[in-house]
Amino acid sequence: DIQLTQSPSFLSASVGDRVTITCRASQGINYYLAWYQQKPGKAPKLLISAASTLQSGVPSRFSGSGSGTEFSLTISSLQPEDFATYYCQQLNSYSYIFGQGTKLEIK
Amino acid sequence: QLQLQESGPGLVKPSETLSLTCTVSGGSISSSSWYGGWIRQPPGKGLEWVGTIYYIGNTYYNPSLKSRVTISEDTSKNQFSLRLSSVTAADTAVYYCARTGPGILTGFGYWGQGSLVTVSS
Repeated sequence: DIQLTQSPSFLSASVGDRVTITCRASQGINYYLAWYQQKPGKAPKLLISAASTLQSGVPSRFSGSGSGTEFSLTISSLQPEDFATYYCQQLNSYSYIFGQGTKLEIK
Repeated sequence: QLQLQESGPGLVKPSETLSLTCTVSGGSISSSSWYGGWIRQPPGKGLEWVGTIYYIGNTYYNPSLKSRVTISEDTSKNQFSLRLSSVTAADTAVYYCARTGPGILTGFGYWGQGSLVTVSS
């Protein structure tokens, strides 16, 4: 079974910082990866699909890259509303598991 | 605009079967390109994919839950459902239903608000 490992698990940053979250797959998944943002008490929100396709309405400061086994989500300039937990999800091989999450906190 | 709504009991006894239904409005589930999913989140923990249903009842389940999970659809009611048998306290979680756009590569862009299910006697 494919496993996803996100790093870091916790990230402390300031408004205006550029941050990158990494998601590594235990075997190649091509570009079958999505990124979600979740705020407390809310359902996850899809940010990026197919590794790099920004969803409609998602600010352009979010970007995704990668293919195969290594992927990243970058926020170019953190805004106060970006402090949340982020998850990657693989969409390959009929096993749509999530990474363990990265909690982004205000420094 | 597509909307999803979970419904079902909020309290289930240990060893019994958890049953939830996801009602979809604003779009038909009778499409060859949509994937429906169930995802759960135990209190204070991360997201766990439970299973997915795709066109004419094809299903895929998390291997760790596969022996206890059944996902089905009722196209006449535009609903898909989750049954999880032999529940324990470890199955206490918020259960979300979700749906993709056209094709799995689009990701799960549509979510219900979540339904808290507590397993307790």
